[in-house]
Amino acid sequence: EPEVTQTPSHQVTQMGQEVILRCVPISNHLYFYWYRQILGQKVEFLVSFYNNEISEKSEIFDDQFSVERPDGSNFTLKIRSTKLEDSAMYFCASSVGYSDTQYFGPGTRLTVL
Amino acid sequence: KNEVEQSPQNLTAQEGEFITINCSYSVGISALHWLQQHPGGGIVSLFMLSSGKKKHGRLIATINIQEKHSSLHITASHPRDSAVYICAAPGDGGSQGNLIFGKGTKLSVKP
Repeated sequence: EPEVTQTPSHQVTQMGQEVILRCVPISNHLYFYWYRQILGQKVEFLVSFYNNEISEKSEIFDDQFSVERPDGSNFTLKIRSTKLEDSAMYFCASSVGYSDTQYFGPGTRLTVL
Repeated sequence: KNEVEQSPQNLTAQEGEFITINCSYSVGISALHWLQQHPGGGIVSLFMLSSGKKKHGRLIATINIQEKHSSLHITASHPRDSAVYICAAPGDGGSQGNLIFGKGTKLSVKP
């Protein structure tokens, strides 16, 4: 069964460093999403992406964040200058259509020291 | 902006019991999502429903659009059902991308 994959599973970085989290959505899906979950808190929407551009973004998704689909398979989330409060689990998801079920990846745990 | 509330926050059940988890939201929506988060952190989408009822195996999800309320039921609960169950609704009612998540209900089913 096709699944969303994410790499790395765990990323440790120093405050102020740039990180890139990678996702490979399900191949025939057209909509892509990033969510984050700070430890012990609820899941929060970051951004949705369709047709090579951002569809929606939350207040969390400020200028420090960017997303890209550099080729036909990868979908990346970049944090330019990480802060301690960026430490969280980051989930990628994809769906066929806008109103369809979203399939989640296993997540990348980001730890900012 | 939608506000999503779940109850109970924690739920402990004996194997075989019928489980009900509730979700309410503040803004009218086109569809509501139920998800399961495993102890390891992975998230699985269980249901997306816009009206009535959906059933998948021992899981049943219902929604009352007028009352802005949804329930997730688990029949004949089993220890492997132990997980956090989360409902999510579109932030502005229509969009499926900008989901607002509830805090989750942590279910523990004892053998």
